[in-house]
Order: sequence, then C-alpha cells, then structure tokens
Amino acid sequence: SQQGEEDPQALSIQEGENATMNCSYKTSINNLQWYRQNSGRGLVHLILIRSNEREKHSGRLRVTLDTSKKSSSLLITASRAADTASYFCATVIQGAQKLVFGQGTRLTINP
Amino acid sequence: DTGVSQDPRHKITKRGQNVTFRCDPISEHNRLYWYRQTLGQGPEFLTYFQNEAQLEKSRLLSDRFSAERPKGSFSTLEIQRTEQGDSAMYLCASSLARSANEKLFFGSGTQLSVL
Repeated sequence: SQQGEEDPQALSIQEGENATMNCSYKTSINNLQWYRQNSGRGLVHLILIRSNEREKHSGRLRVTLDTSKKSSSLLITASRAADTASYFCATVIQGAQKLVFGQGTRLTINP
Repeated sequence: DTGVSQDPRHKITKRGQNVTFRCDPISEHNRLYWYRQTLGQGPEFLTYFQNEAQLEKSRLLSDRFSAERPKGSFSTLEIQRTEQGDSAMYLCASSLARSANEKLFFGSGTQLSVL
C-alpha cells in the first residue's frame, strides 16, 4: 500500500504562476523526498528534507515538512513549461530502508 | 553516461512467456532497488539488494518473480509465466547508502506489455 497521498492529483496552471503540491503520510519517517517524472521516463530526485527540518529551498523549489500533521508541501515558483511532469513524494519509514512513494501530482504548465 | 541503465526499454510478450530485465546501476552504488509502476500510479517497491544480498522483498513479488544481483553489480528481474496483470513499467534505482538519508537514482525503466 502507498504511504503517501498527494493532493491535488492533477494541477494545471499558467506559465509564471506558482504551483503547490501537498503530501500526507501515515507513519513516522526518517526523511521525506520529492521526485519528478517526465512522461515515460524514470524519476529524478529533487529535494530531501529530514524529519528534524521544517523547510528547505533549492532554486525555485521550496519544501516544508510538518511532522505533527504528517504532511509536506512542494512549492515551485515562477513555473515554466519544462516543469510539466508528475511529482511524487516518497518517505523512508523509521526502521526501514526502502522509499515508499505516493500516487503523485500531475502538473501541467500552460504557455 | 554513468547513470542507471535498463535493458530493454520496451518488451512485448505473450501471456505465459518468461521475460528477463537487466539493470546496470551506477558503478559505486551498493544498493539496488526494483519498483513497478502502472499508469497514473506511483512506483511500488518490489525488492532491494545491498551488494549481492537481497534484503527485502515485497508481498507484491509473487513466486513467479525472481531477482538476482550476482557479484553485487548488475541485477536481473525475471518474471515467469507472465500474466496480463504484469503489464507495467519496471524501474530500477541505485543508491550509495551511507545513512538513512539516501537519494535514489532511477533508470528510464522497462515497459512490459503482456498480450
């Protein structure tokens, strides 16, 4: 079963706008990661946030983590057409080694 | 290119046939993972290796599935007596596990279609 649930399942915005995706999970985690997947391709790691961190930035990406609510958000600022992809959150459950992925958010950036 | 490579990229087979996929991880990576992904879903964990040892297998991995990683380098995933429900993208990923905070590097996947 999936550990994470992303919301929304699909998001369509205009180029230049900001995109926010949310992820909720069920059990205690070591870290939470976000990955991007272009259609028909493998996943690419975007950013990792540890369980003791609350916010992290990488270029146009901003990730927050609220362990009390078991939730995370990914913000992409000033979106570009090339950001069109599916975005997945993934968690490493405490005591385990494997990454467990959510079902993803399909992001479409309209020119 | 020193990324994770998977072969073949696409495989079409008839129900009941056996198929084998290969994954070559990034050379210095000690962990190798197999995931399965169906359309519109996130990747589902199948199994992982640390060096040549298979440390965990998902309950999704029925007796028809077997994975190996001889010598701790490349890995193969074999599906025997394929069923239409096996149609999916099979993704391989590798990592250099120094701590619990590892990130995975994925290959482009093998798309399996069972007719």
